[in-house]
Amino acid sequence: EDQVTQSPEALRLQEGESSSLNCSYTVSGLRGLFWYRQDPGKGPEFLFTLYSAGEEKEKERLKATLTKKESFLHITAPKPEDSATYLCAAQTGANNLFFGTGTRLTVIP
Amino acid sequence: DAGITQSPRYKITETGRQVTLMCHQTWSHSYMFWYRQDLGHGLRLIYYSAAADITDKGEVPDGYVVSRSKTENFPLTLESATRSQTSVYFCASGRTNSNQPQHFGDGTRLSIL
Repeated sequence: EDQVTQSPEALRLQEGESSSLNCSYTVSGLRGLFWYRQDPGKGPEFLFTLYSAGEEKEKERLKATLTKKESFLHITAPKPEDSATYLCAAQTGANNLFFGTGTRLTVIP
Repeated sequence: DAGITQSPRYKITETGRQVTLMCHQTWSHSYMFWYRQDLGHGLRLIYYSAAADITDKGEVPDGYVVSRSKTENFPLTLESATRSQTSVYFCASGRTNSNQPQHFGDGTRLSIL
């Protein structure tokens, strides 16, 4: 069964305290792994797409990596404005997109 | 500004009523999607459309109807609303249905009493 699992559900960090969010996936024929950021009352905002194991992408304090079973979103020296829910989604070979339930990140000043 | 707009942002209605959620995009994307977001579940696909007059079911289509007469609009109708359809609904659009990110509107929070 195609499935995406994110952990932890919630994460509290002090400002400047680096950490990683995990996205484990079991899908048939991964075509792409997407990361989104969602602020309260807003729609998901696209961050990254990863297509193959070993690929990495960076944007400011965020770096996304991909293996054959999971993806990580590394947050380096986070700031309060990085507080949000981070969603990952895996696209299968049949073009179905499966979303995880998200990690709610809080960065404390 | 280019983007994707949903209306209304908030809606309260009663069981059995018909309600239509609107979605409009200015990117000229071919594909449009409707999702619902509920606690404990990831975003779940209701319906999608590859082009005007072409629509297909997603994971949770029961109780919903869509149409797409123009490329830029993709309304979602609940023909006879039920309490289980209380949710936040997101519309998204994308150039393709494969390997390309989808871009989301800010959602409609729908409460059915």
